[in-house]
Amino acid sequence: GEDVEQSLFLSVREGDSSVINCTYTDSSSTYLYWYKQEPGAGLQLLTYIFSNMDMKQDQRLTVLLNKKDKHLSLRIADTQTGDSAIYFCAESPLLTGANNLFFGTGTRLTVIP
Amino acid sequence: ETGVTQSPTHLIKTRGQQVTLRCSSQSGHNTVSWYQQALGQGPQFIFQYYREEENGRGNFPPRFSGLQFPNYSSELNVNALELDDSALYLCASSVDRGGEQYFGPGTRLTVT
Repeated sequence: GEDVEQSLFLSVREGDSSVINCTYTDSSSTYLYWYKQEPGAGLQLLTYIFSNMDMKQDQRLTVLLNKKDKHLSLRIADTQTGDSAIYFCAESPLLTGANNLFFGTGTRLTVIP
Repeated sequence: ETGVTQSPTHLIKTRGQQVTLRCSSQSGHNTVSWYQQALGQGPQFIFQYYREEENGRGNFPPRFSGLQFPNYSSELNVNALELDDSALYLCASSVDRGGEQYFGPGTRLTVT
């Protein structure tokens, strides 16, 4: 079955870049997503990448996909205290038809002022 | 444009009871997916509804059931509540089954 793994914690200083990593097992995934969850809130879609792409940039966010190694990363440039949250990567397998998302356990990003 | 809304925000139930959670999809979206997020975990897919029909289900027992209405709003029903059902229940709507999913704020269910 699908398995998505992330490291649990990351701390960075304000102004530095953050890199959050994710590995997944399902090679048939069509889309891979990054979501942000702030305390007590739902999930906010940050960005996504189609599986035939290597990189996607969206303002301060850069997504890198290594399909061979099934490795996805999210880089946040110039990290701010407002970026402190839990970040989830999620994959959407091709064949389920329901576009159900499989999520990792989340990486808690702490930004130190 | 109104986003995804869920009600209630919080709910406390006793083991063995039944609960109904509600979700209004974002305008223009015809698909609703439900997820369970236990404390410290990522969300897990329960099921998806597309145009009032169930369109895929995760590894949840039959006591988890749902409905979608003609206006594309949805309900999640859980019977015979167990302590392990305590979680944040998230609904997400999308334009069709393959679209990006936009999440509501969730309903926090506590089973005592």
